[in-house]
Amino acid sequence: DAKTTQPPSMDCAEGRAANLPCNHSTISGNEYVYWYRQIHSQGPQYIIHGLKNNETNEMASLIITEDRKSSTLILPHATLRDTAVYYCIVRVAGGETSGSRLTFGEGTQLTVNP
Amino acid sequence: GAVVSQHPSRVICKSGTSVKIECRSLDFQATTMFWYRQFPKQSLMLMATSNEGSKATYEQGVEKDKFLINHASLTLSTLTVTSAHPEDSSFYICSAREVGNTGELFFGEGSRLTVL
Repeated sequence: DAKTTQPPSMDCAEGRAANLPCNHSTISGNEYVYWYRQIHSQGPQYIIHGLKNNETNEMASLIITEDRKSSTLILPHATLRDTAVYYCIVRVAGGETSGSRLTFGEGTQLTVNP
Repeated sequence: GAVVSQHPSRVICKSGTSVKIECRSLDFQATTMFWYRQFPKQSLMLMATSNEGSKATYEQGVEKDKFLINHASLTLSTLTVTSAHPEDSSFYICSAREVGNTGELFFGEGSRLTVL
């Protein structure tokens, strides 16, 4: 799995958009970009994933650059409950069991301030 | 989304005893489950991959005789920490992939083990 680089921490005002960057310059053509978050003392929660097109769901939007070497997770209207560690992970989706492994980096601690 | 449940959520045990943690997929079948360990202020570390009906695959540096994994059915995997010591105190998290699902993995709520 390709390695990712994220800033260790970010702050965001409540109600504003939170834009979390991730660099994955060694990503392979068949690797997806996944985003998970972990609220303190809970298991990680899936947010979104994508291959090369931008994706949007009820939680967030994922913007992947054309060269796929970086991406941005956007929380359009951050709330206090969005305070968590956000992990950007690249991996091959599905298929053989080895392709389902998730290797977590250090992630970004997002703090949403009132 | 699919639900993965872990039990117990918290356990305290004496040094030298064994502790079993269960991971259940409640509304889907999982051929593969993963076990992670997380120490305070650190990221999740993959310990092993649990495959239904076969032996688990352990990551380098993880003692298979100390962390026994059993995946006897498509909805249940167990992790047994044998002869636990204080350094085994950690947050243990499982995740599961649905049969035929090529998308996200679903995580349990985690189990916090404290060894006295």
